[in-house]
Amino acid sequence: QSALTQPASVSGSPGQSITISCTGTNSDVGGYNLVSWYQQFPGKAPKLMIYESTKRPSGVSNRFSASRSGNTASLTISGLQAEDEADYYCCSYATIDISVFGTGTKVTVL
Amino acid sequence: QVQLQQSGPGLVKPSQTLSLTCDISGDSVSRTSAAWSWIRQSPSRGLEWLGRTFYMSRWYNDYAPSVKGRITINSDTSRNQFSLQLNSVTPEDTAVYYCVRGDKRFVNTFDFWGRGTMVTVSS
Repeated sequence: QSALTQPASVSGSPGQSITISCTGTNSDVGGYNLVSWYQQFPGKAPKLMIYESTKRPSGVSNRFSASRSGNTASLTISGLQAEDEADYYCCSYATIDISVFGTGTKVTVL
Repeated sequence: QVQLQQSGPGLVKPSQTLSLTCDISGDSVSRTSAAWSWIRQSPSRGLEWLGRTFYMSRWYNDYAPSVKGRITINSDTSRNQFSLQLNSVTPEDTAVYYCVRGDKRFVNTFDFWGRGTMVTVSS
């Protein structure tokens, strides 16, 4: 099972919106509406930001939203803030009962 | 609040077995709606899910194809912990290893993470 493809880096100015893509195959992203997204700061464990493709856990800002279309999932950060600067990873359910992560995207706030 | 406390050696020799344990507080390893996973992270391989264990009338395991045959995840209900064993390690297995709580229904949803254990495979 290959890793899902994400852009290595995405940047934006404070207040702007950015979108991170996550591309897989029919055996993972495209086959199931089960993508999760994680935020990770250097030296820390990842934090769940989105689950079941579009749902936010309690406590996660509504500036974070996600969608899925075909084999590509997307995470959008609206009203970008300096505190959003981190690495972001997508993760999909894959056939059969396994989990596959994306390659990761470094978000830089200019 | 759920806490996951990891323990185990930080240095393992090539061809030997990597063993890590995760002590759970604030939850139960046998809770039927939870699943308990091991995930690792390295610069070369990124984040990689290794496998999980969960209880549903009996214990089940799912393993990643990349490590299947070398990996065993066990649980100990008396100690409320779960463990990872990875056999025949090589330098490619050098990584930060995380124990993680997830949702049993969705293998890719992880809501509580341990702090991570850096494991180096070297002679």
